[in-house]
Amino acid sequence: DVQMTQSPSSVSASVGDRVTITCRASLGITNWLAWYQQKPGKAPKLLIYSASSLQSGVPSRFSGSGSGTDFTLTISSLQPEDFATYYCQQANSFPYTFGQGTKLEIK
Amino acid sequence: EVQLVESGGGLVKPGGSLRLSCTASGFSFSNYNMNWVRQVPGKGLEWVSFIRSSGSDMYYADSVKGRFTISRDNAKNSLYLQMNSLRAEDTAVYYCAREYCGSNTCYEVFDNWGQGTLVTVSS
Repeated sequence: DVQMTQSPSSVSASVGDRVTITCRASLGITNWLAWYQQKPGKAPKLLIYSASSLQSGVPSRFSGSGSGTDFTLTISSLQPEDFATYYCQQANSFPYTFGQGTKLEIK
Repeated sequence: EVQLVESGGGLVKPGGSLRLSCTASGFSFSNYNMNWVRQVPGKGLEWVSFIRSSGSDMYYADSVKGRFTISRDNAKNSLYLQMNSLRAEDTAVYYCAREYCGSNTCYEVFDNWGQGTLVTVSS
């Protein structure tokens, strides 16, 4: 199975900050990676697929990059609605696996 | 508007069974691969199972293989998860999730999710 490791587990930031979250796969997954945002009590929301493709309707301040084993999600200028938990997911092979999550908190 | 509505969760004793349902609307259900994903309250996401649009292929997480069975009824726009031999560690919110497909390809990620149904396994 492909193990996905996210860092950091939590991060504190302020509105307007630039934030980067990383995700590392235990095996190469080319660009078969997605990022999700989840708010308390809600289902996850797809932000990025194919490592760098922005899902329709997602603000352009979100961006993804990487290939192989190392990936990043960047939020260029944090907005109040961005404080949430973020997960990466590998889509290269079954079983699909998620990172453990990164909680983005208000500083 | 795409909608996925799960039902069937509840309290069940260890060793018991439960059948979850997910009713889809707002899209051509028979054209999409579907998944179940679960989340222990306060914890991370765990993919559980996949079924191809035609129902021809199914995959499972090792943690549920041999105990859970995914199925679908395209005529009823419905996805199911039969859960047998339930354990305390199966306690979670269960989401049905649609695979995202663009104009020419599918990406094995999840673009639409239901609201989730809570399964609690406890004596």
